[in-house]
Amino acid sequence: KQEVTQIPAALSVPEGENLVLNCSFTDSAIYNLQWFRQDPGKGLTSLLLIQSSQREQTSGRLNASLDKSSGRSTLYIAASQPGDSATYLCAVPGPYNTDKLIFGTGTRLQVFP
Amino acid sequence: EAQVTQNPRYLITVTGKKLTVTCSQNMNHEYMSWYRQDPGLGLRQIYYSMNVEVTDKGDVPEGYKVSRKEKRNFPLILESPSPNQTSLYFCASARGSNYNEQFFGPGTRLTVL
Repeated sequence: KQEVTQIPAALSVPEGENLVLNCSFTDSAIYNLQWFRQDPGKGLTSLLLIQSSQREQTSGRLNASLDKSSGRSTLYIAASQPGDSATYLCAVPGPYNTDKLIFGTGTRLQVFP
Repeated sequence: EAQVTQNPRYLITVTGKKLTVTCSQNMNHEYMSWYRQDPGLGLRQIYYSMNVEVTDKGDVPEGYKVSRKEKRNFPLILESPSPNQTSLYFCASARGSNYNEQFFGPGTRLTVL
């Protein structure tokens, strides 16, 4: 059974720091991995989708890496800003016959000025 | 603008009063899905649809119904809501299948008294 875990659960940092958020999954046979951002009480915004054949994917100050063999993905946020404060979720597609996303536990990030 | 919309965004109702939460996407996506999000339980899939007239149960379908009569719409129906259905609900869509990038709606916060 696929399980997705995110560490740390919460993170509070001063503005300007470079951050690494971690996502671990137990079954390495994933098709892709998607990172989302969720603001309090709001919807999920897709940040990056990284295919199983890719090692990295970049969008602006965000960089996601994927190491299938070790069951890990990292989301790197460069030069963090207060506007980056949100919960970050990673997700992988479930087993072939389930047609769903399996979400991680989330990392709640606060960037203070 | 490509988007997934949900209505209403907030709803307070009473036990047993039938309600419908609408979901619409303008991206011509085949795949649509409903999730609920609860503290400590994360996001759990309720129902999903691979295309018009094709729907299937997710992990927590009890007490919910869906229909997919048109490609763009995927309403969630609670025939007799109960307090344990108080939750934050999200609709999602993707091109083709669950294996592609998923886009989420803004969420519907439902309270059942």
